[in-house]
Amino acid sequence: EVQLVESGGGLVQPGRSLRLSCAASGFSFDDYAMHWVRQVPGKGLEWVAGINWNSGSIGYTASVKGRFTISRDNAKNSLYLQMNSLRGEDTALYYCTKDFGPEVGTTDFWGQGTLVTVSS
Amino acid sequence: EIVLTQSPATLSLSPGERATLSCRASQSVSRYLAWYQQKPGQAPRLLIYDTSNRATGIPARFSGSGSGTDFTLTISSLEPEDFAIYYCMQRSNWPPLTFGGGTKVEIK
Repeated sequence: EVQLVESGGGLVQPGRSLRLSCAASGFSFDDYAMHWVRQVPGKGLEWVAGINWNSGSIGYTASVKGRFTISRDNAKNSLYLQMNSLRGEDTALYYCTKDFGPEVGTTDFWGQGTLVTVSS
Repeated sequence: EIVLTQSPATLSLSPGERATLSCRASQSVSRYLAWYQQKPGQAPRLLIYDTSNRATGIPARFSGSGSGTDFTLTISSLEPEDFAIYYCMQRSNWPPLTFGGGTKVEIK
């Protein structure tokens, strides 16, 4: 059974940093691209970042480029999102998602999310 | 960035009725469009990928069609568990992957 368990969310002040983690199980992690997608409670979905199977292809949405870094450790079956210079508009539920295949494309499975609140 | 516009924002229907949801792209995404369902308090679930392919375990009452810039998700006969929010997403041109704003299917 595919499982994605996010952690690392919480309350953080503007300008500070936070690192999200996603522990994956139930599938061959290093065969699949992975993503982070966020959702402000009560609002729509926003893709944040994606990484292919071997970290050779990475992309970000414009609003986080230069502030956020997606990475993965295939030996640990883990995905990460390092978030720096956080802003109020980064407040959201952050989902770790699995792709269909090794390159960035359609996400086919989602974790339950970890909530990030940026506020003073 | 490709913008996806979903319509209508809200669809009020009764169980057993047919639901037709639209997703329009600001430029061609070929057939690289997916549909997701999200219920309150839950993560989204993939329904359809690459326009018309049902994901594993998705009932046959869900179908997708379209190409280029205009896409449709059809639910042939609404079941009580189908009342939810539906999002389209394109993977044609990234970064970024982009989602539509969603269509809420509510009970009339």
